[in-house]
Amino acid sequence: GQQLNQSPQSMFIQEGEDVSMNCTSSSIFNTWLWYKQDPGEGPVLLIALYKAGELTSNGRLTAQFGITRKDSFLNISASIPSDVGIYFCAGQLKGSGNTGKLIFGQGTTLQVKP
Amino acid sequence: EAGVVQSPRYKIIEKKQPVAFWCNPISGHNTLYWYLQNLGQGPELLIRYENEEAVDDSQLPKDRFSAERLKGVDSTLKIQPAELGDSAVYLCASSPGEGGYNEQFFGPGTRLTVL
Repeated sequence: GQQLNQSPQSMFIQEGEDVSMNCTSSSIFNTWLWYKQDPGEGPVLLIALYKAGELTSNGRLTAQFGITRKDSFLNISASIPSDVGIYFCAGQLKGSGNTGKLIFGQGTTLQVKP
Repeated sequence: EAGVVQSPRYKIIEKKQPVAFWCNPISGHNTLYWYLQNLGQGPELLIRYENEEAVDDSQLPKDRFSAERLKGVDSTLKIQPAELGDSAVYLCASSPGEGGYNEQFFGPGTRLTVL
């Protein structure tokens, strides 16, 4: 079945540092999404990418949809303590035979040291 | 605007007992999802509803799990009987469009512990 490999599994960084995480897939996706999940809460959408090669920013976050449509990365610049959490990538297929189901990566746990 | 509401937030039961989770989606959202999230993993889809119709339940273990969305609004997910391996967070999400529109809004989840 479809699987997403997300790396790194965890990161422990100093406040102010930049962060990069990525996601790769054996399958082609039409949409890539990045979510953040805080403890005891559900995932919250950060960035959605709809076209291969698309580069999108949301404040200090930047994400790109890989040209091959099999990968995506998320960068966080100048990290702050509230960036702590678990970041998930998710890919979505569309079209006949698919229900638009989201396939999630395993998550990247980010810890920021003040 | 209120987000997706789930209850209870936490549930502890003994194995072989039944359990039910309730979800109220964002008002006007036609599509409702139930996800299972094991510790250290991303969510995995159990079932998706378009209004009151279950359009994708291929990942729902139908021998013990059941779900319903009778009036196309609230939904319940039931496990009977629960097993130790069912301990996880059960997330509900909703989205405004049909056909798997991708902006899904998640509730806080119900954390189930089976002893």
